[in-house]
Amino acid sequence: QKEVEQDPGPLSVPEGAIVSLNCTYSNSAFQYFMWYRQYSRKGPELLMYTYSSGNKEDGRFTAQVDKSSKYISLFIRDSQPSDSATYLCAISKSGGSNYKLTFGKGTLLTVNP
Amino acid sequence: DVKVTQSSRYLVKRTGEKVFLECVQDMDHENMFWYRQDPGLGLRLIYFSYDVKMKEKGDIPEGYSVSREKKERFSLILESASTNQTSMYLCASSPGRQETQYFGPGTRLLVL
Repeated sequence: QKEVEQDPGPLSVPEGAIVSLNCTYSNSAFQYFMWYRQYSRKGPELLMYTYSSGNKEDGRFTAQVDKSSKYISLFIRDSQPSDSATYLCAISKSGGSNYKLTFGKGTLLTVNP
Repeated sequence: DVKVTQSSRYLVKRTGEKVFLECVQDMDHENMFWYRQDPGLGLRLIYFSYDVKMKEKGDIPEGYSVSREKKERFSLILESASTNQTSMYLCASSPGRQETQYFGPGTRLLVL
């Protein structure tokens, strides 16, 4: 079983839709959760970071973590064409001396005007 | 703002050439990483470094080496480029004891 699973999509939605992006992970040792956005031919940029179960909101973006189900989500409200990008989930086991991230393969999102 | 820069956006090399990819970060971060990104395979870690002159192998180190002589600079070296090393190469950095990584714009390498 892969450590992180992410549906690659592609996902196509109309402007204004609510978008739900999801990842599942297999190891309960993972404690830190991030979402990155990557525009075509660019490097990933950090969108959201959380380390606890529950919701974290930032503008139109909400990150949700359910550690009991090993499931993380990113919700985008009132989606815009500028949100069209690949979204990557990333998880980490602990601070310690191991700062490696394990990435999902990314979901390609297109928001149509 | 964290800034991670990579020496080239696009690079074309021939099989067998030695290739250097440079990465510089301006935020005094302890940790630096090199990834490659391929369609369907996602981001894969090649090497990382948590201090000057320190390095650790990632998931796919074969055919690559790295150098970190200064804190702000992390170089990826392809000793003898091969066509299967055609890829997007991404550098990232993170502060010590923090998981969030900040990425550079990437270098698209084509090996002919």
